Amino acid sequence: GNSVTQMEGPVTLSEEAFLTINCTYTATGYPSLFWYVQYPGEGLQLLLKATKADDKGSNKGFEATYRKETTSFHLEKGSVQVSDSAVYFCRIHNNDMRFGAGTRLTVKP
Amino acid sequence: KAGVTQTPRYLIKTRGQQVTLSCSPISGHRSVSWYQQTPGQGLQFLFEYFSETQRNKGNFPGRFSGRQFSNSRSEMNVSTLELGDSALYLCASSWTSGRTDTQYFGPGTRLTVL
Repeated sequence: GNSVTQMEGPVTLSEEAFLTINCTYTATGYPSLFWYVQYPGEGLQLLLKATKADDKGSNKGFEATYRKETTSFHLEKGSVQVSDSAVYFCRIHNNDMRFGAGTRLTVKP
Repeated sequence: KAGVTQTPRYLIKTRGQQVTLSCSPISGHRSVSWYQQTPGQGLQFLFEYFSETQRNKGNFPGRFSGRQFSNSRSEMNVSTLELGDSALYLCASSWTSGRTDTQYFGPGTRLTVL
């Protein structure tokens, strides 16, 4: 079956710092890859997605590139804000849907 | 367009009882998936329904069951509740169950088992 390995948190950064949250996966076939974000007390929201190799998903300054050769989908943002504090989940989907364990990000002013 | 709604938002039950949670998907979405979220196990997939048929099932005991109605609304039932069933139960809907489809999540139902 599929599996997702996500960078363990928590991650604490200062405002305007560079963010990387690692995500690697194992899967058969050609899964789609997603990043979701969960703000306190809320459900999950789609942040970005990529459906084939070399696709780059981007949204709200976040980016991730579908790297089939390294089976990775790392999340990056050049300059984080306090409002980015949340839990981030990597997800893969082919015939099996799996989420990573989640990475809690705290951004301090 | 209204988002995914889940009722109730909070629920307190005692061991041995049963519970039914409800999910109304975004209008037009035919796929509904359920997840259990706990601090220890993270997000775990329970099952997915598409056009009233269960398409996929996660690794949960038979106490966890679900169904989908012709209007795509879905219910999840947990019988003989255990303390370990305390969790946030999330429902997500999408147009189809295809691998490229985005799932839209509801706010969740927080179940506490005493």
